Amino acid sequence: AQSVTQPDIHITVSEGASLELRCNYSYGATPYLFWYVQSPGQGLQLLLKYFSGDTLVQGIKGFEAEFKRSQSSFNLRKPSVHWSDAAEYFCAVGAPYNNNDMRFGAGTRLTVKP
Amino acid sequence: EPEVTQTPSHQVTQMGQEVILRCVPISNHLYFYWYRQILGQKVEFLVSFYNNEISEKSEIFDDQFSVERPDGSNFTLKIRSTKLEDSAMYFCASKLRGGDEQYFGPGTRLTVT
Repeated sequence: AQSVTQPDIHITVSEGASLELRCNYSYGATPYLFWYVQSPGQGLQLLLKYFSGDTLVQGIKGFEAEFKRSQSSFNLRKPSVHWSDAAEYFCAVGAPYNNNDMRFGAGTRLTVKP
Repeated sequence: EPEVTQTPSHQVTQMGQEVILRCVPISNHLYFYWYRQILGQKVEFLVSFYNNEISEKSEIFDDQFSVERPDGSNFTLKIRSTKLEDSAMYFCASKLRGGDEQYFGPGTRLTVT
């Protein structure tokens, strides 16, 4: 069964510092991979996705993620964090070709210090 | 840009009452989904729906839940007899046939008292 692990429940970084949020997945093949962001009381906004091809994907708001098959990882990065990036971040996997039941990780809450 | 909409944004109901959460998927999408997020927890898959029938459902989606596409635009989730533990944010999503990405609505916050 597919599953997603986000090892870090809560991360605090200073504004302007770099960020990396970890995501590991368990799946029999290469799944579709996603990162979503959720601000308090808001819905889910897609940051980026990986289906195939170039393993480094660029997303919105200056985020990028790298798919590493050997490590079953899809870590999210940003070179310089802004205060507005404070939110909950969810990694998700979906079955390739139909993506019919997405599985989400438990989320990582990002706090940004001034 | 077309988007998934959900109504109401917040619903308060008493334990044991029936609730219907409404979603309007993107108009040319054919796959529809419901997810649940209990406060402070992860988003959990409930059910997927295609061609007027359930295609997959999770263990959470028991007999008290049902889904329906009553007309050409709405997609509903009914909870027959709500329990306190049904309090959560419920997200609807839709996808194109042959598409790869699910598009999420803003969610309905359900509070059961």
